[in-house]
Amino acid sequence: DAVMTQIPLSLSVTPGQPASISCKSSQSLLYSDGKTYLYWYLQKPGQSPQLLIYEVSNRFSGVPDRFSGSGSGTDFTLKISRVEAEDVGVYYCMQSIQLPITFGQGTRLEIK
Amino acid sequence: EVQLVESGGGLVKPGGSLRLSCAASGFTFSTYTLNWVRQAPGKGLEWISSISPTTNNIYYADSVKGRFTISRDNAKKSLFLQMNSLRAEDTAVYYCAREGLQFREDPYYFDYWGQGTLVTVSS
Repeated sequence: DAVMTQIPLSLSVTPGQPASISCKSSQSLLYSDGKTYLYWYLQKPGQSPQLLIYEVSNRFSGVPDRFSGSGSGTDFTLKISRVEAEDVGVYYCMQSIQLPITFGQGTRLEIK
Repeated sequence: EVQLVESGGGLVKPGGSLRLSCAASGFTFSTYTLNWVRQAPGKGLEWISSISPTTNNIYYADSVKGRFTISRDNAKKSLFLQMNSLRAEDTAVYYCAREGLQFREDPYYFDYWGQGTLVTVSS
């Protein structure tokens, strides 16, 4: 199984400041079709997960442009340019290059 | 508006069975792969099963293989998960999630999720 490792597991950010979450995969997520099967989700308190980023860097519909994704191969990053109070929750990276689909452990973001 | 509404969760004894349902609306149900993803209390997310639009492709995580069965009724726009031989470690919120790409036979990502239904396995 592809193991997804997120760093840090928690972070506390002042509103208006940036935040960054790293996700490393135990194997390359670049497939022969040229796509990289890495995704980011946010689970707000008491809610279902919601898709933020697909295929490394594409924002899903309605996702604010303060969220951005980057990376390649096995190393990926989710960045929030200016954290807002509504960004609180647990962030997960996910891979789907192979089954089983696996998620990172999650990174809890809180506001200072 | 895409909506996925799970039901059927509850308290069941170890070794028992439960059938979850997911009612879909707001999209062409028969053209999307559907998935079940679960989350144990206070834990992370675990993909457990997916089923392609025509049911040609069905996949399971090892943790549920042989005990859980995924199915769908395209006419009723419904997804199901039959769970047998339940164990304490199956205790979780079970989410129904739609594949992000239409007409794909395999799961790649999940763009819409239901609100989840809680399954508790305890004596």
